[in-house]
Formats: sequence, structure tokens, C-alpha cells
Amino acid sequence: AQTVTQSQPEMSVQEAETVTLSCTYDTSESNYYLFWYKQPPSRQMILVIRQEAYKQQNATENRFSVNFQKAAKSFSLKISDSQLGDTAMYFCAFMKLSFYNQGGKLIFGQGTELSVKP
Amino acid sequence: EAQVTQNPRYLITVTGKKLTVTCSQNMNHEYMSWYRQDPGLGLRQIYYSMNVEVTDKGDVPEGYKVSRKEKRNFPLILESPSPNQTSLYFCASSFGDLGDTQYFGPGTRLTVL
Repeated sequence: AQTVTQSQPEMSVQEAETVTLSCTYDTSESNYYLFWYKQPPSRQMILVIRQEAYKQQNATENRFSVNFQKAAKSFSLKISDSQLGDTAMYFCAFMKLSFYNQGGKLIFGQGTELSVKP
Repeated sequence: EAQVTQNPRYLITVTGKKLTVTCSQNMNHEYMSWYRQDPGLGLRQIYYSMNVEVTDKGDVPEGYKVSRKEKRNFPLILESPSPNQTSLYFCASSFGDLGDTQYFGPGTRLTVL
């Protein structure tokens, strides 16, 4: 069975600074996707970034980038130039790509509550 | 606007009183899922559907039912709610199941007294 672990329940960062959120996962699968989702106080789940396991290049989306270390099963999220609107719960998630994957089931970590301070 | 809608957004009920949380998507997606979110546990899949009349259990299906009579709708049914079903519920949909982006509804906060 796959598991996703986020070891930092809470983090804080000053506005305009950089912060890195950690995520590790455990799987025997070779083909999978990894995701970071943001959940602001509105509770809406918003996709931040995604990474295909077969791609060695780390994904980036504007101020958001990942450090994907497949051998170490690590998938950290770096937020540059943090903004007040980045304050949210962040979830790391895993999806396997085998034939039977329960309709594209996402396996989530426990979440990291990020506070951006002015 | 492409979206997933859920109703109600908030619900307080009592043990044993049947309830239904509706979910509807307007993107013609094949795949739909229900998740529950609990503190310290992240989100966990309850049920999923791969097409009309095709549904199956996720990781925490006990106490829940679903149906998929129309492609756009995927209601979650709690026939006899219990306090351990107090949670935040999300419906999600996607076009495919191989890494396709999942679109989430706004969530339903359920409290069972």
C-alpha cells in the first residue's frame, strides 16, 4: 500500500521569503504522479503543481517549484517570494498509474498548515 | 464555468436520520469520487465511479452508499449517520484516471450529533 507523509504540521514564513514544505512517500510502483494541493480558509482544494514520476525535470509553476528525488521518495514544494495569499493548508498527494487505481484515487498526506506573516 | 457543485455546504443532523449530499459536474467527466477530510488524516477516498452505473468502494466505504444514474451526478448517501461520520466531504471529478487533473467541489461540512 502507498503512504504519503508530511512531517511538518505547521510552518510560518515572512512575506517575500522562501519556504520549503516536505513530503515523503512510500510505494513499490514505478509509474505514478505526485501533486501538491492548496486548501485556503475557503476550504476549496486547488491544484498547485504536479509531477510525473518518469520525468526527471522538476516541475515549476510561477513561484512554486518542486524538488523531486525519486530514489529517496521525496517530493518537496518550494514557494518563492511568499505572499499573504499563500496562507493555507498544503497537501501532498500520490496517484498510481497502474491499471486498477480506483478511478484515479489520490492518496493524501496529513497536510502542512502554512502561515505567511506580513 | 466548469465546476463541481455540492449541496448542502453545511449540515447538522442527528444520529440515524438519513441524508444525501448531492454532487454535480458540468464537464462531462467520466470519473467521480467522494473523499472525507479529517484532521491529521488528510483526505481519504470513500467511493468512486468510472461511468454511469459503475461504482466501487474506496478506502473507507463503511456507512456510505452512492449511485451514478446520470453522468453528471454522484450523490453520497448516509442511510443511518453516526457521530464518527462528522467530517468535511469533497466530491471530485476528472476526465480520465491516469494523472488527469481532479476538480474538487467546495466541500460539505457535516456534523452528526
